[in-house]
Amino acid sequence: EAQVTQNPRYLITVTGKKLTVTCSQNMNHEYMSWYRQDPGLGLRQIYYSMNVEVTDKGDVPEGYKVSRKEKRNFPLILESPSPNQTSLYFCASSWDRSSGANVLTFGAGSRLTVL
Amino acid sequence: AQSVSQHNHHVILSEAASLELGCNYSYGGTVNLFWYVQYPGQHLQLLLKYFSGDPLVKGIKGFEAEFIKSKFSFNLRKPSVQWSDTAEYFCAVNNYGGSQGNLIFGKGTKLSVKP
Repeated sequence: EAQVTQNPRYLITVTGKKLTVTCSQNMNHEYMSWYRQDPGLGLRQIYYSMNVEVTDKGDVPEGYKVSRKEKRNFPLILESPSPNQTSLYFCASSWDRSSGANVLTFGAGSRLTVL
Repeated sequence: AQSVSQHNHHVILSEAASLELGCNYSYGGTVNLFWYVQYPGQHLQLLLKYFSGDPLVKGIKGFEAEFIKSKFSFNLRKPSVQWSDTAEYFCAVNNYGGSQGNLIFGKGTKLSVKP
């Protein structure tokens, strides 16, 4: 089944403890992206990647890192999490990087709480 | 910078009522337009999209949207809503030929349908 898989789905952590949220897609998509969803703010893009070894900042990249060493994986790294990073995170991927027509397939979401 | 405005934060309707959710965007060039839906506790799914051609597009579950270029709008409609349409709806815009990373989402409209 074509899908985007995120792990963990739920995580409670403490301030400053490094964590990684993994994202993997099995559709050979070139484009991948991370969003955070907060009440009243909708979805805001954190980072995106056009292809392997190509990443770029979205609207709210502060406090996050990403890497794209393989086409299928796009982990989101919080080096020193803070409470303002408590949010619902979505990974998404898309195949069509050239036309600008981004029809995204979303993962199920990862709910992160930073105490 | 591009922006997407959704007019209503929360809409409450009774079953069988007609629905129209507003979406306006700020980008003046050629755009691709999307509506995504998020059912309670689930990830975002594509409802419908407009790339080119007939400005009236039909999506899943009886939804449709009309692209009015002169008004920079892409409103979502459904003639008769059902309780199962209760969800949050997001409009999104991507400028064709621009940075494929910049799929801009509105803040979402929560729809509650009373049985």
